Amino acid sequence: KNQVEQSPQSLIILEGKNCTLQCNYTVSPFSNLRWYKQDTGRGPVSLTIMTFSENTKSNGRYTATLDADTKQSSLHITASQLSDSASYICVVMKGGSYIPTFGRGTSLIVHP
Amino acid sequence: DAGVIQSPRHEVTEMGQEVTLRCKPISGHDYLFWYRQTMMRGLELLIYFNNNVPIDDSGMPEDRFSAKMPNASFSTLKIQPSEPRDSAVYFCASRTTSNTEAFFGQGTRLTVV
Repeated sequence: KNQVEQSPQSLIILEGKNCTLQCNYTVSPFSNLRWYKQDTGRGPVSLTIMTFSENTKSNGRYTATLDADTKQSSLHITASQLSDSASYICVVMKGGSYIPTFGRGTSLIVHP
Repeated sequence: DAGVIQSPRHEVTEMGQEVTLRCKPISGHDYLFWYRQTMMRGLELLIYFNNNVPIDDSGMPEDRFSAKMPNASFSTLKIQPSEPRDSAVYFCASRTTSNTEAFFGQGTRLTVV
């Protein structure tokens, strides 16, 4: 079964600190991996997309990494801000399919 | 563009009643997805359409759920009769064929009491 597992399930950090969220997947064949940010009461919004040949991609303070060999991705948030409090969802697209597989997300809370 | 528009934002209904959720995708997007999100299961794909045609409805939990897309700018998800376990946030998303990024609406929070 194609799965996307995320860890930790939830995370609390102080404003200004860095954090790293993990995503492991078994989806095969692999097409691409996206990280979405979902603010409370809103729909998910794409942060980054990574294809098989990409190892690192940044979007401001967000940096995603991908190791296609070990089927692992991470999302690193630098100098966290209160507005980073949200759920972060890892989504993997299977090659040849239009149906993405979603992880359950990591709930991040940034405290002042 | 206003993005994907869903209505209502919140719906509270009694068990056994019919519920209809509505979605207007982004103009020009030829794929439309209906998702359900719960704390326990995260985001689950219910059904998706391509050019208004239902392609895969294997995620629809029961016959009580049905979805239609009568034209490129409108889709509905209907639950009849509704049950308390249907309580969740229902999202509609759309995308184009060439871009795998799905754009989500703000969701409809459904509570069945």
